[in-house]
Amino acid sequence: GQNIDQPTEMTATEGAIVQINCTYQTSGFNGLFWYQQHAGEAPTFLSYNVLDGLEEKGRFSSFLSRSKGYSYLLLKELQMKDSASYLCAVSEGDYKLSFGAGTTVTVRA
Amino acid sequence: GAVVSQHPSRVICKSGTSVKIECRSLDFQATTMFWYRQFPKQSLMLMATSNEGSKATYEQGVEKDKFLINHASLTLSTLTVTSAHPEDSSFYICSARTASREGLNEQFFGPGTRLTVL
Repeated sequence: GQNIDQPTEMTATEGAIVQINCTYQTSGFNGLFWYQQHAGEAPTFLSYNVLDGLEEKGRFSSFLSRSKGYSYLLLKELQMKDSASYLCAVSEGDYKLSFGAGTTVTVRA
Repeated sequence: GAVVSQHPSRVICKSGTSVKIECRSLDFQATTMFWYRQFPKQSLMLMATSNEGSKATYEQGVEKDKFLINHASLTLSTLTVTSAHPEDSSFYICSARTASREGLNEQFFGPGTRLTVL
């Protein structure tokens, strides 16, 4: 199984940058996903990393270090609509996803 | 593209009754669908993996006789909660897996079904 850890809550100001860290332990790594989930809704895909390094997509970037079992999601130029839960999920060889508990980000004006 | 629908979006039922939830991939064929359960302020917990034309694979601790899964076609999987009890009240989410052109094994999530058992 996996042990996926991420902070429970983070608060930041509109326009600022927030970095959400995720550490994991897995036996058969097949990629790491980041999802955004607003309350009462299904998760929406943000990013996918399978190789080490940084993937940038507009205001969102995700980094992976496989040797360290570590990833982060970077949110830039925060907007009020970015207030949500951010889920780190690890995929193993059978394509199942194991999710972390999620990080609730609150953006304040 | 890659849209997944779920029906119903909300259901309220009496204790002891059975509830069926449908998950459909609308514009792609999904050989594999996953069923998750999410309790308030908790993360998604995988319940089972559903492969078209074969029996579902259940995660440890999930009762297969209580949560019946049928994956009859490449676009439809159903989850039936049998003899529902109040503790089964939860947010049930399905996802469908597809391999993109870039080889990304991405899962697309349905909008979820809120089940409340009275």
